[in-house]
Amino acid sequence: EADIYQTPRYLVIGTGKKITLECSQTMGHDKMYWYQQDPGMELHLIHYSYGVNSTEKGDLSSESTVSRIRTEHFPLTLESARPSHTSQYLCASSDVLRDHETQYFGPGTRLLVL
Amino acid sequence: AQKITQTQPGMFVQEKEAVTLDCTYDTSDPSYGLFWYKQPSSGEMIFLIYQGSYDQQNATEGRYSLNFQKARKSANLVISASQLGDSAMYFCAMREGGTGGFKTIFGAGTRLFVKA
Repeated sequence: EADIYQTPRYLVIGTGKKITLECSQTMGHDKMYWYQQDPGMELHLIHYSYGVNSTEKGDLSSESTVSRIRTEHFPLTLESARPSHTSQYLCASSDVLRDHETQYFGPGTRLLVL
Repeated sequence: AQKITQTQPGMFVQEKEAVTLDCTYDTSDPSYGLFWYKQPSSGEMIFLIYQGSYDQQNATEGRYSLNFQKARKSANLVISASQLGDSAMYFCAMREGGTGGFKTIFGAGTRLFVKA
């Protein structure tokens, strides 16, 4: 069973606010990912990390930023939230050497920006 | 070009029947991995099954099996004895390259409805 956690699960916030979505995993996985997904639609990779102090932008341009100071923690920050940021954000992790590098996902954060 | 194609936006199946969800992929890499995930309405992505490009046998996990046809580049998911709880979105995904490969690409998904 995957041990990857996301908080908050739901967030309603006003335009212009700064928000941080938390993601933590206890599996010691080196790779971590952030996806953005509108309801019932495909996943879009917005950020990923190969390990501590490594962060890369994904396929979908995003105004968010990420950091990877510790292996287990991969927070995503929006400096100024806008209604266009309304979506579900999924965090995932994988291990290069185990499980065929299967990605395991957290429960997601559903963000609504008013 | 689409790397992962799921041509069925929605599928209906009668409870206790089997259903096949289609997935085709495109890669020139000889080493790759194929995955299926389930996403219920609650939103989490649940890993179901994995097939490696060099695996000789089709993968099976309980009621899930993967019909892997390498020459056709297809990796269809078969769910046997459907249950109401199987109603969800299903995503096919591919990791190109061997372990340590760059990233995993997801298809657009198929929504499965199981009828009582």
